[in-house]
Amino acid sequence: GAGVSQTPSNKVTEKGKYVELRCDPISGHTALYWYRQSLGQGPEFLIYFQGTGAADDSGLPNDRFFAVRPEGSVSTLKIQRTERGDSAVYLCASSLTSGGSSSTDTQYFGPGTRLTVL
Amino acid sequence: AQTVTQSQPEMSVQEAETVTLSCTYDTSENNYYLFWYKQPPSRQMILVIRQEAYKQQNATENRFSVNFQKAAKSFSLKISDSQLGDTAMYFCAFRAAGNKLTFGGGTRVLVKP
Repeated sequence: GAGVSQTPSNKVTEKGKYVELRCDPISGHTALYWYRQSLGQGPEFLIYFQGTGAADDSGLPNDRFFAVRPEGSVSTLKIQRTERGDSAVYLCASSLTSGGSSSTDTQYFGPGTRLTVL
Repeated sequence: AQTVTQSQPEMSVQEAETVTLSCTYDTSENNYYLFWYKQPPSRQMILVIRQEAYKQQNATENRFSVNFQKAAKSFSLKISDSQLGDTAMYFCAFRAAGNKLTFGGGTRVLVKP
């Protein structure tokens, strides 16, 4: 079946602009995760949704970052007043379940959105 | 907070040979899971192998196997019979009950023909 998809693949914006990044999880997956990967580093956790609600948003760096998942499927990561330091690859992942069983909690990743803030 | 450390920035291996990637982690949790993900230039993270901390037996997936040493908090990945398609970044990752993954800094693996 289809994997996790993310749009756009690449986004170039100017400092101070607003951007939205979209994630379509694997059908039927209840959990959805956002990570940010800066150049030459491993991904860092941003936020995790269980259904429609944000179960853990401890990784969001500041209040310019916000994410929603209104119907428990597609999620949008929103960044206001973008800064050059926001430039990174934003990765989305989904899992069938969350909370204990390793096999069904395994996170499957999308190809990411490369955000460049000029 | 958990930390994951990959001490090898880059490794080279001849095709058909074996390479071992190191990973150490720090945690006070007793129940957790460990993963190796592969990230080719396409950027998509692909799960290679996973290990439950409560299992003593090391996980294997075809040419990929791990050496899990819980007391030493070590989780190395061995790639046997390396293939050109194995060329990629490899990330070690940790997950406890909180669901979020904590990743190491990655090791670039280059398989040479």
